[in-house]
Amino acid sequence: GAGVSQSPRYKVTKRGQDVTLRCDPISSHATLYWYQQALGQGPEFLTYFNYEAQPDKSGLPSDRFSAERPEGSISTLTIQRTEQRDSAMYRCASSPPDRGATGELFFGEGSRLTVL
Amino acid sequence: AQSVTQPDIHITVSEGASLELRCNYSYGATPYLFWYVQSPGQGLQLLLKYFSGDTLVQGIKGFEAEFKRSQSSFNLRKPSVHWSDAAEYFCAVGAGFNKFYFGSGTKLNVKP
Repeated sequence: GAGVSQSPRYKVTKRGQDVTLRCDPISSHATLYWYQQALGQGPEFLTYFNYEAQPDKSGLPSDRFSAERPEGSISTLTIQRTEQRDSAMYRCASSPPDRGATGELFFGEGSRLTVL
Repeated sequence: AQSVTQPDIHITVSEGASLELRCNYSYGATPYLFWYVQSPGQGLQLLLKYFSGDTLVQGIKGFEAEFKRSQSSFNLRKPSVHWSDAAEYFCAVGAGFNKFYFGSGTKLNVKP
């Protein structure tokens, strides 16, 4: 697509429910990132993919968090048994192939998750 | 450990005045540095980036930033602020292997 698209834009859920967030990156971009942004903070790295491979998931806060990108395009971030501390903006970004840390990130508008 | 500090949470400037947003980083190697802007309801957009070479880099929308290795700083500047510049600004460092560290942001308010 023309830009990075995330859905849903807003999600309210009750504590203990599972939530899945979706990211559709720019079609030519091999690398996809997930970031968590708490209120008043900057984005914090969760994980990233190169195509379907997931080289680094060190930022995932617990085993309740998981991400997939099975065909190297669309990605999902799933949070199981949500807790109130999971409330945040979840941002997806993509970047062109082989840019590594030198590449710029193209961000989606984010998915705001509220856990009651 | 890598980190980025933006010491100013909020800044207010008058339209037409000059602007400087501060950013300090901690990183062991030569950093790749970025400034992003986030307008309300929008995703983050890259303003400019520094990889190597000239320490004064130009970006979009009339912004520039200067890398000062001795001060571990990468401050963002604009000579004359426009009302449309009101937004939140994030400094970030690229730390290799596709990992980026962001500061906590500075919210810019522009007075008419």
